[in-house]
Amino acid sequence: DTAVSQTPKYLVTQMGNDKSIKCEQNLGHDTMYWYKQDSKKFLKIMFSYNNKELIINETVPNRFSPKSPDKAHLNLHINSLELGDSAVYFCASSQAPSNSEQFFGPGTRLTVL
Amino acid sequence: AQSVSQHNHHVILSEAASLELGCNYSYGGTVNLFWYVQYPGQHLQLLLKYFSGDPLVKGIKGFEAEFIKSKFSFNLRKPSVQWSDTAEYFCAVNDRGNTPLVFGKGTRLSVIA
Repeated sequence: DTAVSQTPKYLVTQMGNDKSIKCEQNLGHDTMYWYKQDSKKFLKIMFSYNNKELIINETVPNRFSPKSPDKAHLNLHINSLELGDSAVYFCASSQAPSNSEQFFGPGTRLTVL
Repeated sequence: AQSVSQHNHHVILSEAASLELGCNYSYGGTVNLFWYVQYPGQHLQLLLKYFSGDPLVKGIKGFEAEFIKSKFSFNLRKPSVQWSDTAEYFCAVNDRGNTPLVFGKGTRLSVIA
């Protein structure tokens, strides 16, 4: 029974395309996150939502648009994909925005050709 | 802004050797501290966390970490490593409140037989 799940696991696409990554958590958490892990394994927060509201938006290009249809889902849509977007994208969730452990999904490896 | 330094990029140890991975953070206020592990090809899993109380924290799989406030440090230790501990280890910190979790650049641990 996966706590935080993401689809797809792998995504290979051409430059300029638009793609989405989906994330779902069944932990009943209020807060969800998107992280980007680059080729050097460096992890950086992109967005955070609490109760479907955006609370953290780190300097991410506006080609990236998160959408939270409900507390259990946080999807990431990326427009006009660029080579530099190639990375592993991790979704995470926590009970609250602070003082809470974050649970991570399995990651989506995005390769832009 | 908060920053996290992990001084060891790659550590190579023989089985049964003792491990200590360094982690220092920059912000001097009240912080939450975490160590996560990422096994090859897998998602991040929490090893241990510190919010308050006893500065010596015990986590899973025999890992522990000590919070030393005066040194802004939260070093990870294990008395005797196993081959299965081969992984990437990430230290992470956030300030109390709705602040993002900031990760260090990770330390790759390779345990050889």
